[in-house]
Amino acid sequence: EAGVAQSPRYKIIEKRQSVAFWCNPISGHATLYWYQQILGQGPKLLIQFQNNGVVDDSQLPKDRFSAERLKGVDSTLKIQPAKLEDSAVYLCASSLRTSGKGTDTQYFGPGTRLTVL
Amino acid sequence: AQSVAQPEDQVNVAEGNPLTVKCTYSVSGNPYLFWYVQYPNRGLQFLLKYITGDNLVKGSYGFEAEFNKSQTSFHLKKPSALVSDSALYFCAVRDGPVSGGYNKLIFGAGTRLAVHP
Repeated sequence: EAGVAQSPRYKIIEKRQSVAFWCNPISGHATLYWYQQILGQGPKLLIQFQNNGVVDDSQLPKDRFSAERLKGVDSTLKIQPAKLEDSAVYLCASSLRTSGKGTDTQYFGPGTRLTVL
Repeated sequence: AQSVAQPEDQVNVAEGNPLTVKCTYSVSGNPYLFWYVQYPNRGLQFLLKYITGDNLVKGSYGFEAEFNKSQTSFHLKKPSALVSDSALYFCAVRDGPVSGGYNKLIFGAGTRLAVHP
């Protein structure tokens, strides 16, 4: 079974530029998550989709970050304009569903390392 | 609010010796707890989870974790460490639905495990 795919793996941009990350979840997984992992910290959820609908974007800086999951499969996370503090690894994860008992395991992609200069 | 704490930034152990990576939690409702491992330049890999049932949970690569409700702990263990176990380990707790979340994971800051030959 193929895992979660992400691209690009690395990206270097200057502040105020825009950048986009792509994620393809495990086939059949209804729930997709974007996490931000700043160096020395654990991942923090930015946004969560159930199929193509947003169920949690409470920690997404909406003035500069946006995400979409058209057709309920692939997803794109965009930052515009980028700030220095956006330097981090952006991890995409997927799970089979968001169940009431929360037993579903989240599987993570390799991440995109963003450096903002 | 749900949270986990990993009190040790780094754990050093000799190859062949048992290892323990500590995690304590604070939750409202029943705890759903996870351990993930992160190798350099790679995403998080799922090791094991506790939902309910036996307090000793067995996972991948010979790892296990002991759930202790009275001490609110979920320590990761392995009877005999390998050099290849050297990596960053994250404890996580599921947020929701009792706490208002939607199955997102809240991670600790991580513990770096160094296994010396």
